[in-house]
Amino acid sequence: DQQVKQNSPSLSVQEGRISILNCDYTNSMFDYFLWYKKYPAEGPTFLISISSIKDKNEDGRFTVFLNKSAKHLSLHIVPSQPGDSAVYFCAASGDFGNEKLTFGTGTRLTIIP
Amino acid sequence: SQTIHQWPATLVQPVGSPLSLECTVEGTSNPNLYWYRQAAGRGLQLLFYSVGIGQISSEVPQNLSASRPQDRQFILSSKKLLLSDSGFYLCAWSVRGNGGELFFGEGSRLTVL
Repeated sequence: DQQVKQNSPSLSVQEGRISILNCDYTNSMFDYFLWYKKYPAEGPTFLISISSIKDKNEDGRFTVFLNKSAKHLSLHIVPSQPGDSAVYFCAASGDFGNEKLTFGTGTRLTIIP
Repeated sequence: SQTIHQWPATLVQPVGSPLSLECTVEGTSNPNLYWYRQAAGRGLQLLFYSVGIGQISSEVPQNLSASRPQDRQFILSSKKLLLSDSGFYLCAWSVRGNGGELFFGEGSRLTVL
């Protein structure tokens, strides 16, 4: 039972354009969401997070949007850069401070120069 | 600053052989420790979770075991590897109450032949 789903296994975006990565979840108890970025043969690194009391969180070129009613979140990267090419994982936890994260299957983002 | 190391980085083992992957964290005390696995085409699956020395929670039934002999040391083991144990294993740590932000090691690629 995949409680966190990333339905697009891959995405290609032109450099300078906006990249939008999507994530859906089924567990209504999730209230904290994170995005991780992973390069090949390396561990994932934390990118940005959002708690359920917010619907938007922005950090530089990265913005995460949360739609609780739709159980959907998205990561926007603008403008996209070649260094953004990586696998992006969405993750969720059941309460703030509960570090047992449930991860999605990942989306491979390729930025085309 | 905090660092996390895991080794070996790459391992090729025959079916039925034992396994030991080790992970250590520096620069922090009493971390939560985790073992995740990324199998081909799948997301990051939580295998084991530890909140303290000798305290291990297993998230999925499997052929693997974990131990935490010291506060900042986490070991993943198997007595007899199966082909299905192949994958990319990631150790991670977190500060309790930090909202789920995990810090991952570099990963260990295990191939069982």
